[in-house]
Parts: sequence; C-alpha cells; structure tokens
Amino acid sequence: DTGVSQNPRHKITKRGQNVTFRCDPISEHNRLYWYRQTLGQGPEFLTYFQNEAQLEKSRLLSDRFSAERPKGSFSTLEIQRTEQGDSAMYLCASSRKGSSSTDTQYFGPGTRLTVL
Amino acid sequence: KNEVEQSPQNLTAQEGEFITINCSYSVGISALHWLQQHPGGGIVSLFMLSSGKKKHGRLIATINIQEKHSSLHITASHPRDSAVYICAVWGGSNYKLTFGKGTLLTVNP
Repeated sequence: DTGVSQNPRHKITKRGQNVTFRCDPISEHNRLYWYRQTLGQGPEFLTYFQNEAQLEKSRLLSDRFSAERPKGSFSTLEIQRTEQGDSAMYLCASSRKGSSSTDTQYFGPGTRLTVL
Repeated sequence: KNEVEQSPQNLTAQEGEFITINCSYSVGISALHWLQQHPGGGIVSLFMLSSGKKKHGRLIATINIQEKHSSLHITASHPRDSAVYICAVWGGSNYKLTFGKGTLLTVNP
C-alpha cells in the first residue's frame, strides 16, 4: 500500500454513460497525476495538478474528460458519454514538490473501467 | 517509434538466475524511473536515477546518459519477482513521465 487510494477499483458501465473516479493522494503531496493504461501498454500521461491548479493536460484528454482537484487534496476524473475505447486502467499518482521536478511518484491501485 | 523502448518484452527465468532488463530512450531526460507492476495494477517505484548506479537489495539499476540507456538487474531471482517492470523517463515536459511498454518477467521455481 503506497498510501494513494482510488475508488472505485472496478467500474463497469454501458456506452454513453458518465463515470467519475476519485483519487486520494498522500496527504502532504501537492502534486497529483492521472494516467491511463491499456492492456499490454505502459501508462500514458493524462493530466497533472500542482495543488488545485491543473498545469498540464495531454491531447489524449478529449473534451469528454474532465479532472478537478478543488481543494488541492483529492481529485476526480470524469468521463462523459463513455465509449468502448475508454476501457482501460486509470491510475493516479502523487508526489511532493521538492527541489526538482523529478520527485518520486507514488501510484494508487488504479480504477479498471470496462465500457460495454 | 515509442520514445521509450524496453527489451525484452517477455522474459522467463529459473529461480536463482541473474536477470537484465534494458531500456533505451530517444529524448533528453532529467531522470529515469524503474517501476514494478504486479497483476491487478498496483505500481511501485523501484528506483529514480539520473546518473550512475543504484542498488537496493537484489535490485541494481544503472544508467548511461550519453548512450541514453538504462538497465535493471535482479540478482538471485525469485518467483516473487514475477511482475511487469516498466521504465519511465522525465522528458520534454517537466511534469509528465513517458513510459515504456513494460517487460513481463516470470520466474519459475
């Protein structure tokens, strides 16, 4: 257990439905990242928060995806009008801003999304 | 072409064997991570390095910045080492990791 939690762990939904995932980072970590991982591939960067500010978004994050970190603590990732291609593991990671930008990231267990 | 290439994709070994997993990258980086992912998804950071060599127990990671290459070695491998090992680099943006596809290691008793 890295200290980063994600809920739910599994989500099965029908195409066209909206889903929301939650990530609770390690409490003193001010950086939070979302990644997506499909079968047989490494994770791909989706977005990054420093405190409550969303500082970077991947072009993978279409307008159906939105992420928030309203109080600089937990974060939510919402997918609207889900498509079968959204089926993947969604991973959250957190780190503490230190003297460099390359601080160790601690990963949550992931939320596995299956879109039928 | 992926910015981060790992080899081999799959590796099967007998318990006790010395394991090497390689990672090559094409972008300038400030640091490289080796990560371990067990079935079910959980990812654990093993090493973060920007030069030289690091050792933790039976695991050793090396990096050659000039050659843009890193290796992860496991000495005296054990079935509990069976997992996917992923190389990831900080390159381009300061805020995102770029991952390799991973190497699936199976260590048989």
